[in-house]
Amino acid sequence: GIQVEQSPPDLILQEGANSTLRCNFSDSVNNLQWFHQNPWGQLINLFYIPSGTKQNGRLSATTVATERYSLLYISSSQTTDSGVYFCADLPGTYKYIFGTGTRLKVLA
Amino acid sequence: EAQVTQNPRYLITVTGKKLTVTCSQNMNHEYMSWYRQDPGLGLRQIYYSMNVEVTDKGDVPEGYKVSRKEKRNFPLILESPSPNQTSLYFCASSGLFTYEQYFGPGTRLTVT
Repeated sequence: GIQVEQSPPDLILQEGANSTLRCNFSDSVNNLQWFHQNPWGQLINLFYIPSGTKQNGRLSATTVATERYSLLYISSSQTTDSGVYFCADLPGTYKYIFGTGTRLKVLA
Repeated sequence: EAQVTQNPRYLITVTGKKLTVTCSQNMNHEYMSWYRQDPGLGLRQIYYSMNVEVTDKGDVPEGYKVSRKEKRNFPLILESPSPNQTSLYFCASSGLFTYEQYFGPGTRLTVT
């Protein structure tokens, strides 16, 4: 089946720093989404981005479907950005595939 | 407010005692799905439904049942829970052709 790798697995940042999270797929990307799981366990939609670039405040995402990867950029990080970031894709079978996540900790 | 709700949010139960976790969405979504999240294993799909009376197995369906009698509701049933079903459970929904998933707040289940 399709494999999804996220990197880095863990990331520690000082508040105000920028970061890039990556999601690599073993097969073509179809319906990619990025989520943030906050420290209370809630999964929050960040972007639905099957291709191209989107921005929302300090966050932006780029998906290059032909090269099977997506990037999530976090600028001027804040402590509230801490948590786990997941990418997921729906490869056409209605079974979503999730990456293993990037655990981010932002220090004050 | 568009949302997916789950109940209960927390549940501690004993082995073998049947339980149901409810899931409801108010977005008129056709697609609904259940996931479990375990440390080191990420999110794994249990069952999904593409519309009323249409359900299918995900990657880890053993020990679970679902039903989809109404479009807005998609309950998860554990007929005889076991300790290895201790997990954090999420319900999600999306439009059938819009694909963007929305998640419920999660249900933390402990089976002793």
